[in-house]
Amino acid sequence: KAGVTQTPRYLIKTRGQQVTLSCSPISGHRSVSWYQQTPGQGLQFLFEYFSETQRNKGNFPGRFSGRQFSNSRSEMNVSTLELGDSALYLCASSSTFTGGDTQYFGPGTRLTVL
Amino acid sequence: DQQVKQNSPSLSVQEGRISILNCDYTNSMFDYFLWYKKYPAEGPTFLISISSIKDKNEDGRFTVFLNKSAKHLSLHIVPSQPGDSAVYFCAASAGGYQKVTFGIGTKLQVIP
Repeated sequence: KAGVTQTPRYLIKTRGQQVTLSCSPISGHRSVSWYQQTPGQGLQFLFEYFSETQRNKGNFPGRFSGRQFSNSRSEMNVSTLELGDSALYLCASSSTFTGGDTQYFGPGTRLTVL
Repeated sequence: DQQVKQNSPSLSVQEGRISILNCDYTNSMFDYFLWYKKYPAEGPTFLISISSIKDKNEDGRFTVFLNKSAKHLSLHIVPSQPGDSAVYFCAASAGGYQKVTFGIGTKLQVIP
């Protein structure tokens, strides 16, 4: 089975711009979660989608949004970028996302905001 | 509010010795705990997990211990190998469809 893929791998944007990141989960996985990783904060949960519905949301401002398509592929969007949004954005897929269901992570998208 | 705490940002261990990575949590609703390993330029990969109904789970060189009364878990790696050098994340979930909460990670270096 192919793993989780994320595109693009690297992005450089300037403050005020918006960005869209893409994630393709493992075939058959219906849950996709997004995380932000920064050096001092570890992995911070952004949101989780299951069958095109957002089921969980972390404590991020409304500038961060996402969606999931019928084929389970997911996108996240960040509008009005700030310097503090520079981070590694990780996508993870799982079959159900119940309890300790193992999540499979993609390699991440490294976003740099100048 | 860090509900999952990994207080040691880094750890160095000699090859062949035991590595012990610690994790504390504050949310008593957590009932499932996981460890992930992350190499540079890669996403985290699942290592081992434990349910709150157990106090120990083993998988080869990796053992996770859970002390519910102390709200503490630890990951033991025996024997440690240079390929184990990575960042280790502790994670916890309250079950159902609740989100998974990660710690900030501990960077393990195994010295040959």
